[in-house]
Amino acid sequence: QKEVEQNSGPLSVPEGAIASLNCTYSDRGSQSFFWYRQYSGKSPELIMSIYSNGDKEDGRFTAQLNKASQYVSLLIRDSQPSDSATYLCAVTGGFKTIFGAGTRLFVKA
Amino acid sequence: NAGVTQTPKFRILKIGQSMTLQCAQDMNHNYMYWYRQDPGMGLKLIYYSVGAGITDKGEVPNGYNVSRSTTEDFPLRLELAAPSQTSVYFCASSPGTLYSPLHFGNGTRLTVT
Repeated sequence: QKEVEQNSGPLSVPEGAIASLNCTYSDRGSQSFFWYRQYSGKSPELIMSIYSNGDKEDGRFTAQLNKASQYVSLLIRDSQPSDSATYLCAVTGGFKTIFGAGTRLFVKA
Repeated sequence: NAGVTQTPKFRILKIGQSMTLQCAQDMNHNYMYWYRQDPGMGLKLIYYSVGAGITDKGEVPNGYNVSRSTTEDFPLRLELAAPSQTSVYFCASSPGTLYSPLHFGNGTRLTVT
């Protein structure tokens, strides 16, 4: 069974701090890696995607991928109260996209 | 600009009843998926389809059935509903090309009592 593991949290950070979210996956054949944000009662929305080893930056968000360690992370710089949500790590291999359980992030004003 | 449309938004079923959750997309995506999300949990893949007439099981298929007769529609059938099927159900689609993210519908909240 292919698995995606995340620390469920909650992770609490003060406003303006860096939030660091981590994810590991079991399938070495995985090809695409995504971070989705989900507000309570809403559907997931894509915030970052990454496909090759290294860092990818988009505004306040940086995704990091290390395929040798089977590890994906998301850094949120200058965290804002509006970033408070559940962050879902998703991994695609072949036809399937498998999700982790999500990490709840609270940003305190 | 509809994207992925799910109906109904909410439904209450009695134990043993059956129902079909509808999902339609207007983006001409080949791949479609059904996920369920239990409270405080991530999404679990129920079934997926890579094109009309082709479906396959995901992580948690028991108690569900699907069909894909057209590119646009991917209904999920619940037979003999059980309390364990109380969940939020999300339909998603993608073009199926490498590196494609999922596009989600707004979800169906189902309660089985």
